[in-house]
Amino acid sequence: DAKTTQPPSMDCAEGRAANLPCNHSTISGNEYVYWYRQIHSQGPQYIIHGLKNNETNEMASLIITEDRKSSTLILPHATLRDTAVYYCIVGYDMRFGAGTRLTVKP
Amino acid sequence: EPEVTQTPSHQVTQMGQEVILRCVPISNHLYFYWYRQILGQKVEFLVSFYNNEISEKSEIFDDQFSVERPDGSNFTLKIRSTKLEDSAMYFCASQLLPGGSTTNEKLFFGSGTQLSVL
Repeated sequence: DAKTTQPPSMDCAEGRAANLPCNHSTISGNEYVYWYRQIHSQGPQYIIHGLKNNETNEMASLIITEDRKSSTLILPHATLRDTAVYYCIVGYDMRFGAGTRLTVKP
Repeated sequence: EPEVTQTPSHQVTQMGQEVILRCVPISNHLYFYWYRQILGQKVEFLVSFYNNEISEKSEIFDDQFSVERPDGSNFTLKIRSTKLEDSAMYFCASQLLPGGSTTNEKLFFGSGTQLSVL
């Protein structure tokens, strides 16, 4: 089973930041945190990953707590096209949990 | 950007028939995966494959399933005798480096094959 816990759903207003939390309290010291998303029934799409430092790319920012037991994916200016299921994955086995269904509303 | 290609996009088969789902991973990638997603459910890991052998498999990946990299470019999933409950979207993914590397690498997913077993 997945080693992460995410809220099942969240809403966000278009243009606002979407902050998606993930708990991974059993993470090991050398395990990365990955975020993917799935729009409709398309193949999951990589967003960002990190080990211990905060990361930012053109899609999102990833904030990892100092104890590494949780992280937050931030979509700084959510658009309607960001409506998707967001998955947080920890470690090497690349197993998906239930994810968070983010709905961006106009 | 390089892509993982899956064929066919849709496959309809009769219960008990064999199906082969095909994937062309990104050319320099070394680690390959199959996942499935039953309608309305989460993406489930089936199997990972590295260096021409199965690296890890889930409890779903029973004796009716097999994987093969027959020619160095294709990566296939065979279901020997399909059942109604095998109806799902099947995703292939590839990864540049195997799990456990110090850098770790992201997965690239194909668009999936929708398998319908009648």
